Amino acid sequence: NAGVTQTPKFRILKIGQSMTLQCTQDMNHNYMYWYRQDPGMGLKLIYYSVGAGITDKGEVPNGYNVSRSTTEDFPLRLELAAPSQTSVYFCASSYQGAEAGNTIYFGEGSWLTVV
Amino acid sequence: GDSVTQMEGPVTLSEEAFLTINCTYTATGYPSLFWYVQYPGEGLQLLLKATKADDKGSNKGFEATYRKETTSFHLEKGSVQVSDSAVYFCALPGGTSYGKLTFGQGTILTVHP
Repeated sequence: NAGVTQTPKFRILKIGQSMTLQCTQDMNHNYMYWYRQDPGMGLKLIYYSVGAGITDKGEVPNGYNVSRSTTEDFPLRLELAAPSQTSVYFCASSYQGAEAGNTIYFGEGSWLTVV
Repeated sequence: GDSVTQMEGPVTLSEEAFLTINCTYTATGYPSLFWYVQYPGEGLQLLLKATKADDKGSNKGFEATYRKETTSFHLEKGSVQVSDSAVYFCALPGGTSYGKLTFGQGTILTVHP
């Protein structure tokens, strides 16, 4: 009963390095999301996708890229890491959008520190 | 745009105390409303939801009633347990991106034995 799986769980990056956070879901959900959570703050949407081949920017997309080549996978790419990207990243998915009352399912999070 | 405001925390209670976490929203129309909970070191999980006005969502002893007159969705529990210690987020759909949730800033709840 995997749900939404993110890797890695923890990572330390040096300024200017790049990395990819992996996300996969086994619920055949159409919608997938990447959020970041900064200390004491709510979640901010980075990117989202409503289906394979379709992605769009959220509230805070700068410094990130995504792709959605399959229904299951939605990797998040960090280019030229900066200290401002130190955060906890959550991948999530839902069958349809939250407007229809659909539940959004979250992964366990990836803790990223940029030094 | 659509937004949600939660009471500021943190909230510290003794076991078996009554809990209220306030949440008010600003939205066009009557969106679905959600409460999510985040236990230490974990991702968010749905606690309860209400999809239309006057609905009551409930789960694990928690309740929230969708009140359109006061644009509120306050979370309540009659008797909290230590295991309820977590961060609670009120959320509603919408904003600039279709399909997503807009979250409140979260309320940290700590319950002492």
